[in-house]
Amino acid sequence: DIQMTQSPSSLSASVGDRVTITCRASQSINIFLNWYQQEPGKAPKLLIYAASSLQAGVPSRFSGSGSGTDFTLTISSLQPEDFATYYCQQGHSYPLTFGGGTKVDIK
Amino acid sequence: QVQQQESGPRLVKPSETLSLTCPVSGGSLRTYYWTWIRQPPGKGLEWIGHIYDGVTTNYNPSLKSRVTISADTSKNQLSLKVSSVTAADTAVYYCARRLYDSDNYYDYGIDVWVQGTTVTVSS
Repeated sequence: DIQMTQSPSSLSASVGDRVTITCRASQSINIFLNWYQQEPGKAPKLLIYAASSLQAGVPSRFSGSGSGTDFTLTISSLQPEDFATYYCQQGHSYPLTFGGGTKVDIK
Repeated sequence: QVQQQESGPRLVKPSETLSLTCPVSGGSLRTYYWTWIRQPPGKGLEWIGHIYDGVTTNYNPSLKSRVTISADTSKNQLSLKVSSVTAADTAVYYCARRLYDSDNYYDYGIDVWVQGTTVTVSS
């Protein structure tokens, strides 16, 4: 199985901050890395697919980059509704696997 | 946005079989990779498996011997069965739609998630 490692596991930030979350795959997954946002008690929501493509309806303050084994999710200016947990997920091979999550909370 | 709602018993006894269904609307069981994912309390996400084309399945090896995913195209319904459950199977279970181009090996992510069902395994 491909192991997905996210860092940090949690972070505290203020509204307006630039936030970066990283995800590393245990082997190359090309560009097939997706990012999700999950608010408490809700289902995850797709933000970014194929490393850098913004899902329809997702604000442009979210962006993704990377290829191979190292990937980044950036929120350019954190908004109140962005406080949530973020997961990466590889879509390169089976079984599909997720990172452990990064919880973003208010400083 | 596809709107669906899962159904099934929310309390299952150890060693019994967990059964969930998920009506599919606004999309075709034969078009997308219909997927089950679970999330134990306070933990991360685990891919259980999927069904494509209404018949082709792929399961997580960690669960493969206990899991069956099926689709009833006449009812537009997705089903999940997990046998011989233990407390470790306690989780929120989601059905979801994955968009994957198998001709070009291109993954577009899991773009639709149903609000999950909490299943507790307890006697």
